[in-house]
Amino acid sequence: NAGVTQTPKFQVLKTGQSMTLQCAQDMNHNSMYWYRQDPGMGLRLIYYSASEGTTDKGEVPNGYNVSRLNKREFSLRLESAAPSQTSVYFCASTPGHLTHGYTFGSGTRLTVV
Amino acid sequence: SQQGEEDPQALSIQEGENATMNCSYKTSINNLQWYRQNSGRGLVHLILIRSNEREKHSGRLRVTLDTSKKSSSLLITASRAADTASYFCAAGGSQGNLIFGKGTKLSVKP
Repeated sequence: NAGVTQTPKFQVLKTGQSMTLQCAQDMNHNSMYWYRQDPGMGLRLIYYSASEGTTDKGEVPNGYNVSRLNKREFSLRLESAAPSQTSVYFCASTPGHLTHGYTFGSGTRLTVV
Repeated sequence: SQQGEEDPQALSIQEGENATMNCSYKTSINNLQWYRQNSGRGLVHLILIRSNEREKHSGRLRVTLDTSKKSSSLLITASRAADTASYFCAAGGSQGNLIFGKGTKLSVKP
């Protein structure tokens, strides 16, 4: 099925552990994004990749790193997880941010204890 | 900080009624987008309106944009129970990022 695939769907981490959230799209989109969604806060942009080979910080990048592995894949890494990173993480992609909407994945629900 | 702010935060209507949600944003934009999110799911793109457009329609959806007031509205006509969801506006800048508001939770009662 065409779309944005995120793995895993659920994850529980202990404080200080690291993990990588995976995202892949099969729509040949140029731009990819990572957002986090917290209750009452809407979605906040963590990092984005406007095109293959480029990445930029969003509104809340601290504590995260990203890799645009190729045109299809954009991963988000937490090097040392903290309880404040408990959230739902969404990956999204678009063929062109000026003219098209974003396609979102179904999310990763992360709990840091 | 959030770019878009929706109003109201929550809206409850009866099936068949119209639902209007408003959005304000802070800086200059290239486009303004609206998304729907059903509980526990990802966001679904509804409509995009460019900064040089004033109104756009898609099925039962009507979006207006007033760049002088930095505001937009989403009208859903003849609401159905299946329209129950959270609705987000998102401001698109020229840099390639999309900044979301906190959303309006719409409840449509049968």
